[in-house]
Amino acid sequence: GAGVSQTPSNKVTEKGKYVELRCDPISGHTALYWYRQSLGQGPEFLIYFQGTGAADDSGLPNDRFFAVRPEGSVSTLKIQRTERGDSAVYLCASSPLGQVAGELFFGEGSRLTVL
Amino acid sequence: GQQLNQSPQSMFIQEGEDVSMNCTSSSIFNTWLWYKQDPGEGPVLLIALYKAGELTSNGRLTAQFGITRKDSFLNISASIPSDVGIYFCAGRPYNNNDMRFGAGTRLTVKP
Repeated sequence: GAGVSQTPSNKVTEKGKYVELRCDPISGHTALYWYRQSLGQGPEFLIYFQGTGAADDSGLPNDRFFAVRPEGSVSTLKIQRTERGDSAVYLCASSPLGQVAGELFFGEGSRLTVL
Repeated sequence: GQQLNQSPQSMFIQEGEDVSMNCTSSSIFNTWLWYKQDPGEGPVLLIALYKAGELTSNGRLTAQFGITRKDSFLNISASIPSDVGIYFCAGRPYNNNDMRFGAGTRLTVKP
């Protein structure tokens, strides 16, 4: 596709459940970022991939959050034992460059609601 | 992580007025970006700045990378109703790969 694609666009789940959010970056982009955005806030950095490896996961709030990018393209953000505080829009972005400069191109986000 | 302070938090202006917003950091950044986000959408890049002192324009938008590398501003001239939205600054800290965002400036333009 032409842009960053995220699925699902909306996910409603119950507290304690497991959730997976998928990101399909722009073809050829080596860098991939996950952000979390709460209402009225700016995007909060979670994790950054350069290729298949997580170059920086310092933004993951705790060990319930995990992300993978096994083939250097599609990435999955996994949240275990969801809590109500996890409710937010999860944004994925990709960039054609990694460590040097690099503009981020965002998807439309996956809105997660934990009841 | 590094904190970006973006101001003002919101602005209410008349169509045709100019707008200015800024972002500051406690540490040095080597990239500054300005994004606009509409409801239900991801942020869309407006302007990218890569060098201290750089001044870049994109139509009615002008942004500058502060000489101290700790700040940036965005100006919008002759605002129009479609300028409504939330504007975010974003910066890449020196010696770091991630991109940090400000809390946003919500712009309302009255016709």
